[in-house]
Amino acid sequence: QQPVQSPQAVILREGEDAVINCSSSKALYSVHWYRQKHGEAPVFLMILLKGGEQKGHDKISASFNEKKQQSSLYLTASQLSYSGTYFCGTEASIAGGTSYGKLTFGQGTILTVHP
Amino acid sequence: KAGVTQTPRYLIKTRGQQVTLSCSPISGHRSVSWYQQTPGQGLQFLFEYFSETQRNKGNFPGRFSGRQFSNSRSEMNVSTLELGDSALYLCASSLTPGQTTEAFFGQGTRLTVV
Repeated sequence: QQPVQSPQAVILREGEDAVINCSSSKALYSVHWYRQKHGEAPVFLMILLKGGEQKGHDKISASFNEKKQQSSLYLTASQLSYSGTYFCGTEASIAGGTSYGKLTFGQGTILTVHP
Repeated sequence: KAGVTQTPRYLIKTRGQQVTLSCSPISGHRSVSWYQQTPGQGLQFLFEYFSETQRNKGNFPGRFSGRQFSNSRSEMNVSTLELGDSALYLCASSLTPGQTTEAFFGQGTRLTVV
């Protein structure tokens, strides 16, 4: 079952912040975030493993709440280059704390940053 | 180093025909996953291969099949094409199986079924 991303689309002006959420109905082993620009391949942003960690680089960070089966991607002081479609991919947890290794992606959040 | 290479980039086929798409992973990567991307459904997982073995399979009909060769190159085949198979097919490679490592996507093959 696909994770649910919200919002479906967001429009920002340069310098504004945004949060993209990803929710799953299953216990999660990991959450992956990718960004895809129009006509290009998805590009890896980060992986978060169960344990409730938070990661980030530059002005993009993410958190993973294992208990709520949710992850959030935070984009601060947005730049024009942040425009694109953001996908979260989730890997379900199975007995023993491992996973099947199958990544299921949400439908994507379209982020548009205007000057 | 070279990225993931998918060929061909574009294909136009007629309903009922079959098609084979190819994916060459990054050198040293032994895991290859395939995805179907459509505007309405986003990225849908098709299957994952490692060491010539299918490790995982998505919820697609048996018309969709794949294989991996000893050099890690992978092919996917769709038989008896339907209009709804029109999509961008992406392959992604990673060092190891499972999904705890970064995956690198190719540019995709855009398949149009008429």
